[in-house]
Amino acid sequence: DAKTTQPNSMESNEEEPVHLPCNHSTISGTDYIHWYRQLPSQGPEYVIHGLTSNVNNRMASLAIAEDRKSSTLILHRATLRDAAVYYCILSHIQGAQKLVFGQGTRLTINP
Amino acid sequence: DAGVIQSPRHEVTEMGQEVTLRCKPISGHNSLFWYRQTMMRGLELLIYFNNNVPIDDSGMPEDRFSAKMPNASFSTLKIQPSEPRDSAVYFCASRGRGQRYEQFFGPGTRLTVL
Repeated sequence: DAKTTQPNSMESNEEEPVHLPCNHSTISGTDYIHWYRQLPSQGPEYVIHGLTSNVNNRMASLAIAEDRKSSTLILHRATLRDAAVYYCILSHIQGAQKLVFGQGTRLTINP
Repeated sequence: DAGVIQSPRHEVTEMGQEVTLRCKPISGHNSLFWYRQTMMRGLELLIYFNNNVPIDDSGMPEDRFSAKMPNASFSTLKIQPSEPRDSAVYFCASRGRGQRYEQFFGPGTRLTVL
């Protein structure tokens, strides 16, 4: 599985936008980019995924670099409830069932 | 929908005892996954099933671990005999046919082996 690199931790303030980066320089053309997050004492939850184009949903936006070697998860207006560990995961189209979680980015939101 | 249900939520046992963790996936979902999370190793996929059939068990640590899915609404993960290094949070997740990528996770079972 292709590897992703994320900062260990980030900090932001409530009601401000948050940009969570992910590097995946060895991504292949058939790898999807997934983001999951894990709130304290809970199981992971799906946030968003994309292949080549930027994606938006009710939770976040995913900006994918033109060369696909990096992506950024954008939380437009962070709340205290967004404090979690955010995981960026690559998964092959055919093997999209298998998610390999890295260490993720621990996001702290200051009130 | 009740979401993925796991039981028990907490289990404390002694080394050498058999442990059985249970999972009820979301109704209608046809894929089921077992993960383990520890501080040292993070979240690891142990095994997953499609339509009740095990597809990939390469993450199962050793023969002491076994998983079954006798029907579409129930799965078990058994550890026999348990060891202190098996202490972890075990998550079950399921995915539906139309949702190619989104996995829904249960609340987890925190296992402590003394």
